[in-house]
Amino acid sequence: DAMVIQNPRYQVTQFGKPVTLSCSQTLNHNVMYWYQQKSSQAPKLLFHYYDKDFNNEADTPDNFQSRRPNTSFCFLDIRSPGLGDAAMYLCATSMGQGINEQFFGPGTRLTVL
Amino acid sequence: EDKVVQSPLSLVVHEGDTVTLNCSYEVTNFRSLLWYKQEKKAPTFLFMLTSSGIEKKSGRLSSILDKKELFSILNITATQTGDSAVYLCAVVVDNNNDMRFGAGTRLTVKP
Repeated sequence: DAMVIQNPRYQVTQFGKPVTLSCSQTLNHNVMYWYQQKSSQAPKLLFHYYDKDFNNEADTPDNFQSRRPNTSFCFLDIRSPGLGDAAMYLCATSMGQGINEQFFGPGTRLTVL
Repeated sequence: EDKVVQSPLSLVVHEGDTVTLNCSYEVTNFRSLLWYKQEKKAPTFLFMLTSSGIEKKSGRLSSILDKKELFSILNITATQTGDSAVYLCAVVVDNNNDMRFGAGTRLTVKP
């Protein structure tokens, strides 16, 4: 089945230790998104790729970076995680621009010790 | 600044009740409005609305959009305990598929 896959599902890291979260999709969608969702809050868009074009949200901290080496994969790199970065990180995809719905992966729950 | 406001923030009902969840928005370059259901994992898609006045239905759930008054409602009839979840409203803006979420409505359905 076509889907959005995130690995790992749970990640524990230490304060300041870089971490990379992975997202892959079999939907062949042009657009991939990364959201941060903290407890009892709505998902917050960090950035997205339209094909290889990177679009950063204005309030996304520099600590968060992303890579999209090909259509199927997108990575979220947190260079120096702080305690405040503990959250669920959701990857989503959509087909092109316009009014298409986004399909979410199961998320990676990040814990920072 | 784009705004998506959901009300109420939380709601407790009993099985069999009908509920109406509200979502209002103020955004530039509106493209569409989406409703998601989120339980303990990632949001699952419910409806996408692009035109005013056309009701979307799926079983006991229905939704409608008013682009003049800038709001949408999600109705759930004959609620069941399995409907307990956070319901998220999101508005797609611009041509880049940027999606702005509301804070969500936490619905609890008691037996």
